[in-house]
Amino acid sequence: SQQGEEDPQALSIQEGENATMNCSYKTSINNLQWYRQNSGRGLVHLILIRSNEREKHSGRLRVTLDTSKKSSSLLITASRAADTASYFCATGKLGNTPLVFGKGTRLSVIA
Amino acid sequence: DAGVIQSPRHEVTEMGQEVTLRCKPISGHNSLFWYRQTMMRGLELLIYFNNNVPIDDSGMPEDRFSAKMPNASFSTLKIQPSEPRDSAVYFCASSFTRDSRGDTQYFGPGTRLTVL
Repeated sequence: SQQGEEDPQALSIQEGENATMNCSYKTSINNLQWYRQNSGRGLVHLILIRSNEREKHSGRLRVTLDTSKKSSSLLITASRAADTASYFCATGKLGNTPLVFGKGTRLSVIA
Repeated sequence: DAGVIQSPRHEVTEMGQEVTLRCKPISGHNSLFWYRQTMMRGLELLIYFNNNVPIDDSGMPEDRFSAKMPNASFSTLKIQPSEPRDSAVYFCASSFTRDSRGDTQYFGPGTRLTVL
């Protein structure tokens, strides 16, 4: 079963605008990760936030985590056409279970 | 590091044929994952190994699918006989796992399988 559910399914913005994608999950987690997938390629890890963290930055990426609401958001600031890709959240739990990926948000940045 | 290596990158075969997909994980990683991605079902975990031992194969669709990891640097996913509904992109990923399975995974470029 899917743990993470991204919202929206698709997002189209103009270059220079900010893009926000959300992820909701159902059970307790150890960490939450965001991945990016360019068309026809494998997923690439972007950022990991642990359950005891609330916010994390990496370049133009900002991730927040609200464990009380079981949700996370990924903000891409000053978007570029090269940011066009699908973005997946994945939840990690302690114990003998692997990451569980959502279905992704397709982001289109129009130049 | 070359990253996770998968071969072939593309495979076109006819229904009923045997298909073997190959994966070389990142050196030093001790967990390996096989995924299938389709538009309809998204990214599905088929099976994963830890220290070359299959831990969970509950995602394998049916007995036509089998996976092996004979050593730390090589894994195969075999479909026999293949069917058109097996058409998808198959990804291999690896990670270094300590106590938590929720570790960062590194994906290969995928094998695009088309079964006619």
